[in-house]
Amino acid sequence: AQSVTQLDSQVPVFEEAPVELRCNYSSSVSVYLFWYVQYPNQGLQLLLKYLSGSTLVKGINGFEAEFNKSQTSFHLRKPSVHISDTAEYFCAVRGAQKLVFGQGTRLTINP
Amino acid sequence: GAVVSQHPSRVICKSGTSVKIECRSLDFQATTMFWYRQFPKQSLMLMATSNEGSKATYEQGVEKDKFLINHASLTLSTLTVTSAHPEDSSFYICSARVADRDQETQYFGPGTRLLVL
Repeated sequence: AQSVTQLDSQVPVFEEAPVELRCNYSSSVSVYLFWYVQYPNQGLQLLLKYLSGSTLVKGINGFEAEFNKSQTSFHLRKPSVHISDTAEYFCAVRGAQKLVFGQGTRLTINP
Repeated sequence: GAVVSQHPSRVICKSGTSVKIECRSLDFQATTMFWYRQFPKQSLMLMATSNEGSKATYEQGVEKDKFLINHASLTLSTLTVTSAHPEDSSFYICSARVADRDQETQYFGPGTRLLVL
């Protein structure tokens, strides 16, 4: 079975500071990992994904994530955040025919 | 590409009535669509998986007679909440998996907020 743990429920940072949102997973099958962002009262938008190949994945809005098989992690990073990055971020692993989501991390950007 | 729409975006109904929510893949064909429910400040809970032309597969604990899912075409799936009650109030989100490429990625609709009075 697959599972995802997002280690921080809330992450407050100052504008233009770097940020890392942590995600650990467990999976007994091939690993496909995703990060989605959800703005208030909206659906989920795909930020980036790891299916195979390079372990450093670049996504939209300046985000990137690194797949670390030995640590079973897929942490999301951005070198300099903007107020508009305030949102809920979900890490997900593809299980047998369906996505398994973490509990989400609320990223709050303070001016 | 890979745009998913939902209609309506928001609906308010009286207790005991039924509500239908539509999910459409606008620029691709989706053999598989998913319906999720999200409570405030929580993650997404998968309700059911629907494949075009066949019966939906419901997750444990989800009442199939209450949440009717129809996936009649490769671009449309509907969720009908029958005899809605206040506890059914929630944010319902659909997603679709692209049929002809990148089968590992799901694209999500904007969600439908249901309020049952």
